[in-house]
Amino acid sequence: AQKVTQAQTEISVVEKEDVTLDCVYETRDTTYYLFWYKQPPSGELVFLIRRNSFDEQNEISGRYSWNFQKSTSSFNFTITASQVVDSAVYFCALTENTGNQFYFGTGTSLTVIP
Amino acid sequence: NAGVTQTPKFQVLKTGQSMTLQCAQDMNHEYMSWYRQDPGMGLRLIHYSVGAGITDQGEVPNGYNVSRSTTEDFPLRLLSAAPSQTSVYFCASSYSGQSTTNEKLFFGSGTQLSVL
Repeated sequence: AQKVTQAQTEISVVEKEDVTLDCVYETRDTTYYLFWYKQPPSGELVFLIRRNSFDEQNEISGRYSWNFQKSTSSFNFTITASQVVDSAVYFCALTENTGNQFYFGTGTSLTVIP
Repeated sequence: NAGVTQTPKFQVLKTGQSMTLQCAQDMNHEYMSWYRQDPGMGLRLIHYSVGAGITDQGEVPNGYNVSRSTTEDFPLRLLSAAPSQTSVYFCASSYSGQSTTNEKLFFGSGTQLSVL
């Protein structure tokens, strides 16, 4: 079974629209860590955020915000007032305290249309 | 600030050939790993290492070998390349130690490999 599910394969929005990328995870551990990475067209993987399972506070960084809800096992990512530079593939990932592996979702490809 | 360095950036192989993808990091990270990225499949873990002399298999280890003789280097060997190994390969490292893996990964720039 997939430990990290990103059900949205591709999303297109018009510039300045808000967009939310969904991430649902599965783990039996009580201590775990969640991540978001961005992969722009140039191909490199850029770290965006790390969140541990004990910190359910939402986080905002500029136009980016993250909503962590343990009750629904979700760690969703919202981009406010999207820009063309936000066009990228976004990956959600999970690590568990009892293991040594990162589990990545299949990614969501976001296209922001000018 | 080199970070994680992968070589080569591009490689074309014929079926049956062998080669080594190089990965080096200068951040004194204990944890290093190799992923392959295929369309629609996300990033899948091939092998990882939690320190020099220690390696383990990930989700898709078949056809690949690794070794970790130093903290800095973690090469990935394709023993007999197959078309199914055509992919983009990423090396990644983190501060995580042997007991837990919870720090962010630093990625190399990737190697695009084609096996004909």
